[in-house]
Amino acid sequence: AQSVTQPDARVTVSEGASLQLRCKYSYSGTPYLFWYVQYPRQGLQLLLKYYSGDPVVQGVNGFEAEFIKSNSSFHLRKASVHWSDSAVYFCAVSAGGNTGKLIFGLGTTLQVQP
Amino acid sequence: EAAVTQSPRSKVAVTGGKVTLSCHQTNNHDYMYWYRQDTGHGLRLIHYSYVADSTEKGDIPDGYKASRPSQENFSLILELASLSQTAVYFCASSDNRGKDTQYFGPGTRLLVL
Repeated sequence: AQSVTQPDARVTVSEGASLQLRCKYSYSGTPYLFWYVQYPRQGLQLLLKYYSGDPVVQGVNGFEAEFIKSNSSFHLRKASVHWSDSAVYFCAVSAGGNTGKLIFGLGTTLQVQP
Repeated sequence: EAAVTQSPRSKVAVTGGKVTLSCHQTNNHDYMYWYRQDTGHGLRLIHYSYVADSTEKGDIPDGYKASRPSQENFSLILELASLSQTAVYFCASSDNRGKDTQYFGPGTRLLVL
C-alpha cells in the first residue's frame, strides 16, 4: 500500500539557515510527488511537484526538492529560510488509479526563529 | 488563479444533528475531493467525485455522505454528527486525476458537542 513518512514532526531553524525537510514514500509504480504548505488557519498550497525528468524540481519561494528513486525519498530544501516560512509542510504521493487521491504524510511543523 | 471556497468556515454542531458542509469551485475542474484533517493523522480522503451527480467513497466514508449536484458544487453531509467527527474539513479540486495539482479551500472547522 502507498504511504508517506515524514519522520520529523517539528523542525526549528534560525532565520537565514538552510533547511531540509525529509519525506520518504512507499509506492510500487512511478510516483507523482508533491509538497504542500499550510499556513495557520489556511488551506494547503502547492509548493512543487514531480512527475518525471530532472529529479531536482524547483518550486515557489526558493524551495526545491530532489527525487531519489533508489532511496524512495523526496526531501524538500531551501538555502536560506525566512521567518515567513514558518508553517506546516506536507509531502504527498498520488495514489494513481481512477481516484487521483493524494496520500499525505503527517506533516512537519517548521518554526523559524529570528 | 484557482479558487475553491468553503462554507461555513467554522461550525458548532450538536451530537446527533445534521451538518452540511459546502464547497464551490470556479476552476472548471472535473475532480473534487473532501478530506479530513486531524492531529496525528494528516489528511485523509472521505469522498470524491469526478463528474456531476456521481460520488465515490474514499478511505474513511463511514458516517458521511456526499453530493455533487453540479460541476461547481460538492457537499459533505453528516446525517448524525458524532463527537469523533470534530475535525477540520478541506475541499479540493483538480483538473485530472493523479498528475494535476489539487487546489484546496480554506477549510471548515467543525466542533461537535
